[in-house]
Amino acid sequence: LAKTTQPISMDSYEGQEVNITCSHNNIATNDYITWYQQFPSQGPRFIIQGYKTKVTNEVASLFIPADRKSSTLSLPRVSLSDTAVYYCLAGGNTNAGKSTFGDGTTLTVKP
Amino acid sequence: DTGVSQDPRHKITKRGQNVTFRCDPISEHNRLYWYRQTLGQGPEFLTYFQNEAQLEKSRLLSDRFSAERPKGSFSTLEIQRTEQGDSAMYLCASSFYSKSSSNEQYFGPGTRLTVT
Repeated sequence: LAKTTQPISMDSYEGQEVNITCSHNNIATNDYITWYQQFPSQGPRFIIQGYKTKVTNEVASLFIPADRKSSTLSLPRVSLSDTAVYYCLAGGNTNAGKSTFGDGTTLTVKP
Repeated sequence: DTGVSQDPRHKITKRGQNVTFRCDPISEHNRLYWYRQTLGQGPEFLTYFQNEAQLEKSRLLSDRFSAERPKGSFSTLEIQRTEQGDSAMYLCASSFYSKSSSNEQYFGPGTRLTVT
């Protein structure tokens, strides 16, 4: 399972776009990249998943370059309610039971 | 379906006592996972089931921990002879696994265990 590295914390202001980058240099061919969001005293919530290029859903975009050694979660126009911890995972379907979350990135959105 | 549920939400116990937690996954999900999370850390994988079969256990899981999923639906996690170091949030997640699916995990609200 590929180890991931993320910044420990980030600050932003309401209405700004936030990009959180995750590095996964040892990503394997069959590994997907998945991002979760967690609020205090709640379980993590799935945000987005991708394999390559760009994936977009109603809450975020995920950019994955051709070498797949990193990925960037993009949150458009953040609000105070986006203050949370964001986790990046790189793993394959067969390794789903071994999801390793790391310590995540604490995003603080200020008014 | 209302998502993954866990019971109880909070449990306070004295050292040495046994505790049991329950997780009810999303009904059509065939995989169920248990994680443990301490303050300031990400969730740590403990074990997971595919239907009723326990496919993997983390080396973090001592012999005092046991998990079951008897009919491939709900699961229980039991901790025997609790220690203060067992104090944590215990998270359950479920997913629908197939070779062609994204296998995203849906988490429950967790059970917060405090061992005094």
